[in-house]
Amino acid sequence: YDLTQPPSVSVSPGLTASITCSGDRLGDKFVSWYQQEPGQSPVLVIYQDYKRPSGIPERFSGSNSGNTATLTISGTQALDESDYYCQVWDSGLAVFGGGTKLTVL
Amino acid sequence: QVQLVQSGAEVKKPGSSVKVSCRTSGVTPGGSFNNYAVSWVRQVPGQGLEWMGRIIPALGDTTYAQKFQARVTITADKSTTTSYMELVSLRREDTAVYFCARRTDSVDDAFDIWGQGTILTVSS
Repeated sequence: YDLTQPPSVSVSPGLTASITCSGDRLGDKFVSWYQQEPGQSPVLVIYQDYKRPSGIPERFSGSNSGNTATLTISGTQALDESDYYCQVWDSGLAVFGGGTKLTVL
Repeated sequence: QVQLVQSGAEVKKPGSSVKVSCRTSGVTPGGSFNNYAVSWVRQVPGQGLEWMGRIIPALGDTTYAQKFQARVTITADKSTTTSYMELVSLRREDTAVYFCARRTDSVDDAFDIWGQGTILTVSS
């Protein structure tokens, strides 16, 4: 099972960033999103399509329908500049997307 | 607070093997360590996350990604709440950071805690 993400997304501070993740009938699966800063371990920011773990700011939101899931960051801040990965479970195997580098400029 | 603590960096020669450990702290041996799977994920320098496999400690049940199936073994010691990932027949391309990850009671179907990562360098 393959998940496709754009390699890079750019956004200006204060605006909304959208990062997509595409896969066959992705809407039938639960999607998680991870943020990873250079040299650090990934951090879960969204699970089960739209749920936020404790401690994750409300500006992070998620949706999933059809063949595309979207991570949305509202009011993007400089500290949101990171790599983002989507992930699903397919037949008992975890699959990650290729990752998207979010640049805030 | 549940944490995953991994073993230190390794330098290995091509053709050899490595065994990385991941201890779950903040849980009792008979508690959530047994019930939640521990996954192993690797990241080659400059590349993305790649899931290698997982183990459910209570059952000893393992699942491996096809890419690694022939070379990886994941085990768990319930008495020490530690999971191990052994990779054999190492190649230079196995140079990467290896993470363990699992869920806690707070989330479903996702990895909300990660180890700090173990750097493996394969070089002659």
